[in-house]
Amino acid sequence: AQSVSQHNHHVILSEAASLELGCNYSYGGTVNLFWYVQYPGQHLQLLLKYFSGDPLVKGIKGFEAEFIKSKFSFNLRKPSVQWSDTAEYFCAVKRYTGRRALTFGSGTRLQVQP
Amino acid sequence: DVKVTQSSRYLVKRTGEKVFLECVQDMDHENMFWYRQDPGLGLRLIYFSYDVKMKEKGDIPEGYSVSREKKERFSLILESASTNQTSMYLCASSSGAQGPTDTQYFGPGTRLTVL
Repeated sequence: AQSVSQHNHHVILSEAASLELGCNYSYGGTVNLFWYVQYPGQHLQLLLKYFSGDPLVKGIKGFEAEFIKSKFSFNLRKPSVQWSDTAEYFCAVKRYTGRRALTFGSGTRLQVQP
Repeated sequence: DVKVTQSSRYLVKRTGEKVFLECVQDMDHENMFWYRQDPGLGLRLIYFSYDVKMKEKGDIPEGYSVSREKKERFSLILESASTNQTSMYLCASSSGAQGPTDTQYFGPGTRLTVL
């Protein structure tokens, strides 16, 4: 069975600091990769997704992620965080064939201090 | 805009009660999902449905059942609620049109407490 690991459980940064959140998955076949964000009191929403082509994917609010196939990784980055980025971030994987549902990581809680 | 609604934001039930959580989507999506969200565990799939009256077990189906009688509505049923089912329950839907690259859209969640 596939699994998704997010190594950082809680990250605290000051505004304008750079962000990188790690995500690794275990499945060896073709996958599609997603980052979702949950702002306090809000719905889970899609930040970005990768399915093919350029391994550097740009999403909303200045976020980007890089797919490195050899490392089974899909790390999320932002060059300069804002207080409004305080949220929980979830990496998710979907196999290209088979089950249609996502497998999520355990999440990373990001706290940005003003 | 896709809208996924859940019948309750907060619910308190007693051990042994039968509990129904309702989810409705308004975009004619084929696929619907139920997850539970627990701190430190992320989201775990309980059940999903890819068509009316069709369902598949997810990773943690024990103690739950589902019903999809109409395309827009997907219900999660706790046959006999237990305290270890206290959690946040999230419903999601996806169109099915894009296959593996489909985006899932989530509802606001129902925080269930079982006493």
